[in-house]
Amino acid sequence: RKEVEQDPGPFNVPEGATVAFNCTYSNSASQSFFWYRQDCRKEPKLLMSVYSSGNEDGRFTAQLNRASQYISLLIRDSKLSDSATYLCVVNMRTGRRALTFGSGTRLQVQP
Amino acid sequence: EAGVTQFPSHSVIEKGQTVTLRCDPISGHDNLYWYRRVMGKEIKFLLHFVKESKQDESGMPNNRFLAERTGGTYSTLKVQPAELEDSGVYFCASSASLAGVFEQYFGPGTRLTVT
Repeated sequence: RKEVEQDPGPFNVPEGATVAFNCTYSNSASQSFFWYRQDCRKEPKLLMSVYSSGNEDGRFTAQLNRASQYISLLIRDSKLSDSATYLCVVNMRTGRRALTFGSGTRLQVQP
Repeated sequence: EAGVTQFPSHSVIEKGQTVTLRCDPISGHDNLYWYRRVMGKEIKFLLHFVKESKQDESGMPNNRFLAERTGGTYSTLKVQPAELEDSGVYFCASSASLAGVFEQYFGPGTRLTVT
């Protein structure tokens, strides 16, 4: 079993749609949680950190459920420019800063 | 503010040769990390520097890989001798040292091809 699991997709949605991605992680002692966005052949770019209380940044909302060990990302009013791979990333090791990456969920927003 | 930079962007070498990758972190970031993605796999952690000290090298695959950060500024990752399975994209990241701040910012990567 992978330490961070994501549905690889692709998710094909029309512009303006709402889409949600989930991610599960294996280590209940995990410390920090993030969503990164990666465009084809580019570096991962930090989209948002995920806090226990949930957080929102414009059209993006992230939630953390520690009891069930999953993280979600909701994108509202999808834009063509949202097309990318979304990486679920977890800091799993207490006292260390190494990040553990999921394999990513691909989103394709269509006109 | 300049982001994380890496050099070279691409490198093609033959099996058995040596390659050195360079990373310049965001100015003022004490934490520097190396990660890599090999074909078809997720990005994996290699090691973590705090200033010039290796804080965590649990992800280094074997002793053919040597990372340094003399002076606590830029870092180099040397692969010697390179093997075919070392092909992939090597990312560098950096983060600030503030308590409770764990966000890491990634460079554009070096695409290494070993033939």
